Amino acid sequence: EVQLVQSGAEVKKPGESLKISCKGSGYSFTNYWIAWVRQMPGKGLEWMGIIYPIDSDTRYSPSFQGQVTISTDRSIRTAYLQWSSLKASDTAMYFCARPSSSNYGGDAFDIWGQGTMVTVSS
Amino acid sequence: EIVMTQSPATLSVSLGERATLSCRASQTISSNLAWYRQKPGQAPRLLIYGASTRATGIPARFSGSASGTEFTLTISSLQSEDFAVYYCQQYNNWPVTFGGGTKVEIK
Repeated sequence: EVQLVQSGAEVKKPGESLKISCKGSGYSFTNYWIAWVRQMPGKGLEWMGIIYPIDSDTRYSPSFQGQVTISTDRSIRTAYLQWSSLKASDTAMYFCARPSSSNYGGDAFDIWGQGTMVTVSS
Repeated sequence: EIVMTQSPATLSVSLGERATLSCRASQTISSNLAWYRQKPGQAPRLLIYGASTRATGIPARFSGSASGTEFTLTISSLQSEDFAVYYCQQYNNWPVTFGGGTKVEIK
């Protein structure tokens, strides 16, 4: 079964750092881009950026450029989303998602992780 | 950045009735348009890609169409599991952008 499994919920304080993960299984991990999508409480979906595990080519939405870092560890089939200094406004559900076509990032997302809830509060 | 505008924001429909959801792109995106359904507490699920192709396992009551930069998702006969929020997404250009969503609720 093709799936993306994300790390568990996090509760952090403003200013703290955080790295959440997304592990792929059941497919050739290096040949598919992986995207991160934010959903703030009660709001819609926002594409944050995307990474190609085979060469770590990474693209960010202008809204998130410089605010987060997307990375990958091919050896353990895992993609990451990290913050160096969290803000209360980072409170959201974060999903990883995989485009349906291999070697192509510009496609619909047919596989989604279950989501990681990040709560930032003092 | 391409702006995707969905309408209406909320649609009240009875079980078994037809629902028509709209999505407009701020510029040409060819047929690079997808529709997703998101139930509370769940990840989105891909319904339609390429504006009109049903994804694997999606029932025939879901159909998509396009006319220029206007896109439509039609649910021919609403089932209980269809009461949810629906998002359109363009993947023609990066950054990928989503519409604001249409909530389909029980009338």
